[in-house]
Amino acid sequence: ETGVTQSPTHLIKTRGQQVTLRCSSQSGHNTVSWYQQALGQGPQFIFQYYREEENGRGNFPPRFSGLQFPNYSSELNVNALELDDSALYLCASSPAVRGSYNEQFFGPGTRLTVL
Amino acid sequence: DAKTTQPNSMESNEEEPVHLPCNHSTISGTDYIHWYRQLPSQGPEYVIHGLTSNVNNRMASLAIAEDRKSSTLILHRATLRDAAVYYCILFGSARQLTFGSGTQLTVLP
Repeated sequence: ETGVTQSPTHLIKTRGQQVTLRCSSQSGHNTVSWYQQALGQGPQFIFQYYREEENGRGNFPPRFSGLQFPNYSSELNVNALELDDSALYLCASSPAVRGSYNEQFFGPGTRLTVL
Repeated sequence: DAKTTQPNSMESNEEEPVHLPCNHSTISGTDYIHWYRQLPSQGPEYVIHGLTSNVNNRMASLAIAEDRKSSTLILHRATLRDAAVYYCILFGSARQLTFGSGTQLTVLP
């Protein structure tokens, strides 16, 4: 069974650019969540997708957007990058159905540096 | 979201039990108590969760106070590989994990 994978591992962008991060969920998982983790802090929830629809969003501006595909893989897009967007971006998948509280399985993350 | 309070750091000796406390006085009746840990340079890893009763799995035990306002994660025999940041999280109807700053566990050889 393949775990959650993310690509790329590292990425360097300049302020104002756009970036797309990718996540492949664990087999059989239909829910994907994205988190931002600044250095020295705990992960912060960005949003969650369940069966290709957004199913909850944290306190992030609209320039953070996402997609989930029919195979349940997902993308996180960030437009107009700012220096504060530099962080580790984590993807987590779960076999959740509505009303359940299953654990989430995290990928290793993508380290984004904005210069 | 209901919040949790954890000590910033704790130390333990290798092969001794470790009790990591968490206070969650504003927990609601439908909130589950989840624990995750994050090893250096890795994504968080699920450890255990519970609602009202104490729980055991291969990694740890979770002891939940009768009033559910606090809980304790128990590692029965700490190893050097258990050195990590441990997060106590209330997982409720919003179905999103709200991480705090966690407890940095140092295991001494």
